[in-house]
Amino acid sequence: NAGVTQTPKFRVLKTGQSMTLLCAQDMNHEYMYWYRQDPGMGLRLIHYSVGEGTTAKGEVPDGYNVSRLKKQNFLLGLESAAPSQTSVYFCASSYGGTTIYYGYTFGSGTRLTVV
Amino acid sequence: SQQGEEDPQALSIQEGENATMNCSYKTSINNLQWYRQNSGRGLVHLILIRSNEREKHSGRLRVTLDTSKKSSSLLITASRAADTASYFCATEDDSSGTYKYIFGTGTRLKVLA
Repeated sequence: NAGVTQTPKFRVLKTGQSMTLLCAQDMNHEYMYWYRQDPGMGLRLIHYSVGEGTTAKGEVPDGYNVSRLKKQNFLLGLESAAPSQTSVYFCASSYGGTTIYYGYTFGSGTRLTVV
Repeated sequence: SQQGEEDPQALSIQEGENATMNCSYKTSINNLQWYRQNSGRGLVHLILIRSNEREKHSGRLRVTLDTSKKSSSLLITASRAADTASYFCATEDDSSGTYKYIFGTGTRLKVLA
């Protein structure tokens, strides 16, 4: 089925370890976003991309890096994980101008625990 | 910074009743969207209302927008147990063409059978 796929779904990291979260979409969407969701905080934008080869910082970018080497993939990296990065991470994508009609398509999330 | 704030934070109703949740935002907007999130899942887009619209319907959903009060409401009529979820409003961060949306903290709706 077409949509946004996130891998892995669950992960436990030790403080200081690194990892990469993968987001893949097969809808030919130009725009892709990484959000984190914490209890009582709603969703906060980490980084986003408006096209292949471009990335930009969102509201809470510190401690994360991203890459968009291929249009369909958006990678979120944690170079040195910290307990404060324990969260549920969501990837979303949209088709540019039609975002205002159809909104975002979200992945099912990655639950990350840093111990 | 949080653009949208939903109210109430939690709501519990009986099946068949109507559920109303509100969203307040801080700056002028082009449009406002509502999303639903079932437990442990991603968000699903429900409905969008533009700044020049006052009311919009989609099935059992009714959304209103009052730009003078910077607020929106989502009404779910004849609620069902399957409507149990969290509901978020989202407003566009700016008009730079990046279509960045800022989400509120959500309303947790529980519909009792």
